[in-house]
Amino acid sequence: SQQGEEDPQALSIQEGENATMNCSYKTSINNLQWYRQNSGRGLVHLILIRSNEREKHSGRLRVTLDTSKKSSSLLITASRAADTASYFCATDGTDKLIFGTGTRLQVFP
Amino acid sequence: GAVVSQHPSRVICKSGTSVKIECRSLDFQATTMFWYRQFPKQSLMLMATSNEGSKATYEQGVEKDKFLINHASLTLSTLTVTSAHPEDSSFYICSARGWGEAGELFFGEGSRLTVL
Repeated sequence: SQQGEEDPQALSIQEGENATMNCSYKTSINNLQWYRQNSGRGLVHLILIRSNEREKHSGRLRVTLDTSKKSSSLLITASRAADTASYFCATDGTDKLIFGTGTRLQVFP
Repeated sequence: GAVVSQHPSRVICKSGTSVKIECRSLDFQATTMFWYRQFPKQSLMLMATSNEGSKATYEQGVEKDKFLINHASLTLSTLTVTSAHPEDSSFYICSARGWGEAGELFFGEGSRLTVL
């Protein structure tokens, strides 16, 4: 079952610019997580934000969570070409992770 | 960090044959593993939750007899695609919860199945 909807579906930016991806979900959650996937590879966990948290930082990543709107955003600051990948939000509500539709980010050097 | 190993990374088989994919947690014990399926440029769809020592819990629409899951030990879960057909061609990814930040999943590198 698909839980989250992400937008944009695809995003192209220049190196140094910021990238913002949004995720909306439908049901109550314990936490929301963001993952990154390089083409044809497995997923790598980026950051987890709990339902009682509103904002979290990790390096160049900033995640916000608005449970009243059932939405989250991932901001990547000062992007690099190596950030090119697909990014997925995943909601954890019933002991299993349900992934969003994903955003394909392309960062041009 | 926790490591999950998945094998094989690529497999090509003939229609009608069965294929087994292994998922191992290398440096931690995983009582629960998850199997996902991913079509090109799409998201991950949860197929089933694999529980050590008990039957897997399948998501709605996933055929239990088609996708056999066995979780015989705390470090190994297997997915067997039985009587494979071309429409079963996909990218299959396993994951397991680690002992780090609560809820974090560690993923294998995925297995690309092509059924001819």
